[in-house]
Amino acid sequence: LAKTTQPISMDSYEGQEVNITCSHNNIATNDYITWYQQFPSQGPRFIIQGYKTKVTNEVASLFIPADRKSSTLSLPRVSLSDTAVYYCLVGALNTGGFKTIFGAGTRLFVKA
Amino acid sequence: GAGVSQSPSNKVTEKGKDVELRCDPISGHTALYWYRQSLGQGLEFLIYFQGNSAPDKSGLPSDRFSAERTGGSVSTLTIQRTQQEDSAVYLCASSLVGFEQYFGPGTRLTVT
Repeated sequence: LAKTTQPISMDSYEGQEVNITCSHNNIATNDYITWYQQFPSQGPRFIIQGYKTKVTNEVASLFIPADRKSSTLSLPRVSLSDTAVYYCLVGALNTGGFKTIFGAGTRLFVKA
Repeated sequence: GAGVSQSPSNKVTEKGKDVELRCDPISGHTALYWYRQSLGQGLEFLIYFQGNSAPDKSGLPSDRFSAERTGGSVSTLTIQRTQQEDSAVYLCASSLVGFEQYFGPGTRLTVT
């Protein structure tokens, strides 16, 4: 499993765009990149997943450069409720899922 | 539909006692995961079940920990002779296709 490296914490203000970068230098050809969000006292929640280039959904965008050795989660116009821990994972898809290793994540704190 | 459920939500036990934690995955999900999370820390992978394959137990911290999944559905995580360092939130997740895991609310275990 590819190891991931993320910043331990980030601060932002309401209304700003937040970009969290994850490094995964040893990503394999068939690995996908997935991001989860976790609020205090809750289990993680899926945000977005991608393989290359750019993926966008109603919550976030995921930018993946051509070499796929890193990825950036972009949260547009954050609000106080986006304060959470964000985890980056890489792994291969197969039917039913895959053993996953969550790192320490990035603790995002959004200020008013 | 119903999400992943876990029971009990909280468990306080004395050091040396055995405990059983239960996870009911989303119906039809072929993969089931157990993690534990200590206060302020990331998720620690424990064990992974996929379909009828032998479980991946590589994350279990000691032989006091075991898990089973009956009929490809409900799973039980058993901790024998609990120690204070076992105190944590134990999270269960299930998935169907791909990498998106759905997490339960967790069981908070306190060993006194």
